[in-house]
Amino acid sequence: GAGVSQSPSNKVTEKGKDVELRCDPISGHTALYWYRQRLGQGLEFLIYFQGNSAPDKSGLPSDRFSAERTGESVSTLTIQRTQQEDSAVYLCASRASPEPGVYEQYFGPGTRLTVT
Amino acid sequence: AQSVTQLGSHVSVSEGALVLLRCNYSSSVPPYLFWYVQYPNQGLQLLLKYTSAATLVKGINGFEAEFKKSETSFHLTKPSAHMSDAAEYFCAVSPHTGGFKTIFGAGTRLFVKA
Repeated sequence: GAGVSQSPSNKVTEKGKDVELRCDPISGHTALYWYRQRLGQGLEFLIYFQGNSAPDKSGLPSDRFSAERTGESVSTLTIQRTQQEDSAVYLCASRASPEPGVYEQYFGPGTRLTVT
Repeated sequence: AQSVTQLGSHVSVSEGALVLLRCNYSSSVPPYLFWYVQYPNQGLQLLLKYTSAATLVKGINGFEAEFKKSETSFHLTKPSAHMSDAAEYFCAVSPHTGGFKTIFGAGTRLFVKA
């Protein structure tokens, strides 16, 4: 079946522009995560959605970052007024339920964002 | 707060040699623990996970990891490295309660020499 998909796969933008990244989770997966992976570094948690509950936004690095999810479907991560330090691979993952011990996270291929 | 430390950003082994990738966690109670692998130009995939059922966990591709509470460790091993094991490996931790944020280590890149 279809896995997690992300678009675009690559995005080059000028400093100061806004960008929108999209994640299509696996159908039926209630939990959705966004991570940022800077070059040579590990994954940095950004935000977590679980069903219709309020999202956990504790990882968003600044108010330039925001994310939305409609029900249990598509999610978009928006970065306003991009800065060069925003350059990274943005990964999305979904999970069948919030229980991490039972179900694994499935990761998308990522969106590589380059801010020039 | 929970955290994960992976010792060694790069590990190099010869083909056929033992692979040992180190992971230590910090948590007031034993959390769920995971190892993920990221092959070049691919997404992350789960290698194995510890959920308190058994301390020695076997995963895909011949990898296994042992949970040691006394050492707060969850090291990843494989008896004999293959060239195809060259990848980036991430240790991760999730709490049992209080939220389901997963914290990842910085990663260890494994090189396998012929």
